[in-house]
Amino acid sequence: GAGVSQSPSNKVTEKGKDVELRCDPISGHTALYWYRQSLGQGLEFLIYFQGNSAPDKSGLPSDRFSAERTGGSVSTLTIQRTQQEDSAVYLCASSFDGGIFGEQFFGPGTRLTVL
Amino acid sequence: AQSVTQLGSHVSVSEGALVLLRCNYSSSVPPYLFWYVQYPNQGLQLLLKYTTGATLVKGINGFEAEFKKSETSFHLTKPSAHMSDAAEYFCAVSGGTSYGKLTFGQGTILTVHP
Repeated sequence: GAGVSQSPSNKVTEKGKDVELRCDPISGHTALYWYRQSLGQGLEFLIYFQGNSAPDKSGLPSDRFSAERTGGSVSTLTIQRTQQEDSAVYLCASSFDGGIFGEQFFGPGTRLTVL
Repeated sequence: AQSVTQLGSHVSVSEGALVLLRCNYSSSVPPYLFWYVQYPNQGLQLLLKYTTGATLVKGINGFEAEFKKSETSFHLTKPSAHMSDAAEYFCAVSGGTSYGKLTFGQGTILTVHP
């Protein structure tokens, strides 16, 4: 299909391990967002990429979290030295131009469980 | 800064009854308001949005919402609930220099009884 895809759909890891979560946005969408959905915090913004501009990292909860977007398309969210409080569903979204009017299309998410 | 409050984490209605999900927002700039729906094990899907212009906004699946600036509200309604409407609903706000970054409410789980 032509929607946003994320992989893996589920990831179980041990505390202290690093994990990488992948997002493939809709082709042609210049803006890409990562959000985190957890029981205690609801849906939280993490990071935003728009074209070749420097990303807005204002939502990243700690320096253990980082993300990159290669070639203006695929994005990878990396969590280093995972902690139990990192357990959540990580959602990726893309939009055509990243403007405030633009509809964001969400992927199905990656459910991360840290044991 | 922007914030969203959804009143009621769980709402239960009978099939055919009115659906009313409440959303109040806080924003120091003109807000752009959204309702998203999330079905189990799926991503979020946009139901409707308010940006400018008409304050009564119609969306998919028979839902609509009215922007009331004086009440800082954007409540979601549907005249007659269907079983397929059972899902979690999120109200969100953006605006100003947020570049489309969404601030979400805590969500409301809608249950529809036969």
